[in-house]
Amino acid sequence: DTAVSQTPKYLVTQMGNDKSIKCEQNLGHDTMYWYKQDSKKFLKIMFSYNNKELIINETVPNRFSPKSPDKAHLNLHINSLELGDSAVYFCASSQGNSEAFFGQGTRLTVV
Amino acid sequence: GEDVEQSLFLSVREGDSSVINCTYTDSSSTYLYWYKQEPGAGLQLLTYIFSNMDMKQDQRLTVLLNKKDKHLSLRIADTQTGDSAIYFCAESIGNSGYALNFGKGTSLLVTP
Repeated sequence: DTAVSQTPKYLVTQMGNDKSIKCEQNLGHDTMYWYKQDSKKFLKIMFSYNNKELIINETVPNRFSPKSPDKAHLNLHINSLELGDSAVYFCASSQGNSEAFFGQGTRLTVV
Repeated sequence: GEDVEQSLFLSVREGDSSVINCTYTDSSSTYLYWYKQEPGAGLQLLTYIFSNMDMKQDQRLTVLLNKKDKHLSLRIADTQTGDSAIYFCAESIGNSGYALNFGKGTSLLVTP
């Protein structure tokens, strides 16, 4: 069973489009995260959600919006995609301060 | 915020020890972590150390923490070709659960 699953694994889309990446965790964790890894492999946290409440929002453009329909899901919506949004996006979840489990990543390519 | 610093590349021969160094930024970080990322794969937690410890050993892995200098290192003994990957140092961000500030990663290449 996959603990943290992201869909799709690959996403190729044109500039200006709106897209979503889904994330689900079956670990019963209370906090979920989105990270972005750019082409140079640099990893940065984007969002953190705890009990449906946004905890951290780093300097991320407001074109990006996390949506959590329930505790097990944290989806990432991106509006008006730009070339610079091309990256690998990782979802993760944790219970309090315990180890976070990461998904396998979604490789987004904007053309 | 400030960056967690790591050297970007390290090459070692199979059987030698590898030492990957990291300088972190947040002295209030409760935990410090080492993650491994193989090509095309996700992130795997290798080990972590609590901030009040100086050293942690786990099989071939040894983590050293110098809190005064905010310096963290990962030593891999008897390095194997399967250890070739990118290694990320990470610090926990304040009290925000498990939110992490990652270093830029060290690409380790192990040659036969």
